[in-house]
Amino acid sequence: GENVEQHPSTLSVQEGDSAVIKCTYSDSASNYFPWYKQELGKGPQLIIDIRSNVGEKKDQRIAVTLNKTAKHFSLHITETQPEDSAVYFCAALKTSYDKVIFGPGTSLSVIP
Amino acid sequence: SAVISQKPSRDICQRGTSLTIQCQVDSQVTMMFWYRQQPGQSLTLIATANQGSEATYESGFVIDKFPISRPNLTFSTLTVSNMSPEDSSIYLCSVEGPALDNEQFFGPGTRLTVL
Repeated sequence: GENVEQHPSTLSVQEGDSAVIKCTYSDSASNYFPWYKQELGKGPQLIIDIRSNVGEKKDQRIAVTLNKTAKHFSLHITETQPEDSAVYFCAALKTSYDKVIFGPGTSLSVIP
Repeated sequence: SAVISQKPSRDICQRGTSLTIQCQVDSQVTMMFWYRQQPGQSLTLIATANQGSEATYESGFVIDKFPISRPNLTFSTLTVSNMSPEDSSIYLCSVEGPALDNEQFFGPGTRLTVL
């Protein structure tokens, strides 16, 4: 089955700097890659996603890139702010209504 | 997106007892899922709650321990039966459907502590 790896497990950046989180997946049939942000005491929140027919997607300060050949995808956060501090999970799945396979998570701390 | 509520938000229970967690969504959805998130860990799918039929359980999870109901397209329950301290976790429901662009959205979670 699908296996998703995520690096780094923890990341600390200065406010205003960029943060990059990288994930790899094992199942070449996976074609949908969401990213979730989980703040303390809350459920995961979908922040951006990318499908396999697209190489890059951007939404304000957040961007995601996908390399299907290498089976890896990355989250880029620019101009980080303290409110970006949270645990970020990447995920992969094959089709709609498929179960979401989560990576182990990255704890991001943005230092004011 | 969807507005998802879970009850209770947290509970402390004695071992050997059972707790039923409710998940309510503000619109009809095709799929509802239940996940477990142990402290400091990622999310693990317990089962898919199927409307009008038995839930589909993932490897390592069984119906006797985690019975699930889904009586309609906006509501589901998960029961954690005969609890032990190892069941202490956050339990989350998620929903997906065509009206949500087939994206999955999560509820706020239920934090369960078993003594």
